[in-house]
Amino acid sequence: QSVLSQPISVSETPGQRVTISCSGSNSNVGSNTVSWYQQLPGTAPKLLIYNNDQRPSGVPDRFSGSKSGTSASLAIGGLQSEDEADYYCAAWDDSLNGVGFGGGTRLTVL
Amino acid sequence: QVQLVQSGAEVKKPGASVKVSCKTSGYIFTGFFTHWVRQAPGRGPEWLGWVNPKSGDIKYVPKFQGRVTLTWDTSISTAYMELSRLTFDDTAVYYCARDRDDTLDFWGQGTLVTVAS
Repeated sequence: QSVLSQPISVSETPGQRVTISCSGSNSNVGSNTVSWYQQLPGTAPKLLIYNNDQRPSGVPDRFSGSKSGTSASLAIGGLQSEDEADYYCAAWDDSLNGVGFGGGTRLTVL
Repeated sequence: QVQLVQSGAEVKKPGASVKVSCKTSGYIFTGFFTHWVRQAPGRGPEWLGWVNPKSGDIKYVPKFQGRVTLTWDTSISTAYMELSRLTFDDTAVYYCARDRDDTLDFWGQGTLVTVAS
């Protein structure tokens, strides 16, 4: 099983806002920064959010991240059909001395 | 621009070994850790380990200790991942990724390794 926990799927209609949660522990989310990745079918994960709430250049501000304690969230506003993808959270894990990933959340834009 | 280009797809028999390469460009190879991650069909990413080409340190996930070997060649800015004693469960896409401040910011395109008899 995955180090971090995410809902398997979420869905929402175009133009609306959706939130994806990521739950961890004190050895990962609780003590290190969280990053989020978007993965389209057949492609490598793409960095969407880093340092909990920072966007790399080129990522629209419709995407935002937050963290509180041992949980983090990714919010996507103004949903578009092209946002349909799998989303993964990740955080350094001190116990593992490596990267822990979530199992992924599939976003469906209805 | 930062690029990580991996070797092509492989088909291996159970018990065999596979070696995947990851050629980097656009940044100083020794200035960043390189991680290896795999993703089985329909599953989330699974971290395998990292290398620090500057210090020579290597870290493996305990689950793969003894089966995974991570190496690199600084002269050609290339990292390698070798996985031995393959089983059907090792069928997955294998990725290399650059680590910037504990964030995997750039990834290779992935290498599909299929284990089939």
